[in-house]
Amino acid sequence: GQNIDQPTEMTATEGAIVQINCTYQTSGFNGLFWYQQHAGEAPTFLSYNVLDGLEEKGRFSSFLSRSKGYSYLLLKELQMKDSASYLCAVRDNTNAGKSTFGDGTTLTVKP
Amino acid sequence: NAGVTQTPKFRVLKTGQSMTLLCAQDMNHEYMYWYRQDPGMGLRLIHYSVGEGTTAKGEVPDGYNVSRLKKQNFLLGLESAAPSQTSVYFCASSSQNYNSPLHFGNGTRLTVT
Repeated sequence: GQNIDQPTEMTATEGAIVQINCTYQTSGFNGLFWYQQHAGEAPTFLSYNVLDGLEEKGRFSSFLSRSKGYSYLLLKELQMKDSASYLCAVRDNTNAGKSTFGDGTTLTVKP
Repeated sequence: NAGVTQTPKFRVLKTGQSMTLLCAQDMNHEYMYWYRQDPGMGLRLIHYSVGEGTTAKGEVPDGYNVSRLKKQNFLLGLESAAPSQTSVYFCASSSQNYNSPLHFGNGTRLTVT
């Protein structure tokens, strides 16, 4: 099975940079996904890592170290609209490619 | 392009009542999933399907049944609702590609009294 840990809450200031960490223990690994979920809405895809290293997409970057079972999501130039929950999910390597989610990190961006 | 559509959006049931949650996707995805989301507990997998006519149990399947008679539809049934099933239910789909993310419906907020 999968065990995924991420901080419950984080607070940051508008315009700043914030890093949300995720650690995982897995019996099968086929990639790590980050999703954003605004309150009362569905999760939406942000980024994907399957190889070690950094993936950059605009203001959002995600890093993966498979040997350490560690990933982080980096958000730059924070905006108020970035206030949301950020979900780390590990996809297994079965034919169903099931994803196991962490409990999410609620990020509050303050002016 | 509608993506993943769930109905209903809200429902209130009394203990012991039954209902079916409907999920439809128009992206020709093979894989479909039902998750529930409770405060502080993240998304937990109830049942999933790797193709038409196939279903399998996820992490928390008890009290639920599913059917996938058509590739585009995945139904979640509650035969005898219990207060512990009060939750937000999300349907999701993805392609078979390993790097394909989940596409979520807008969720169904279910309250069982």
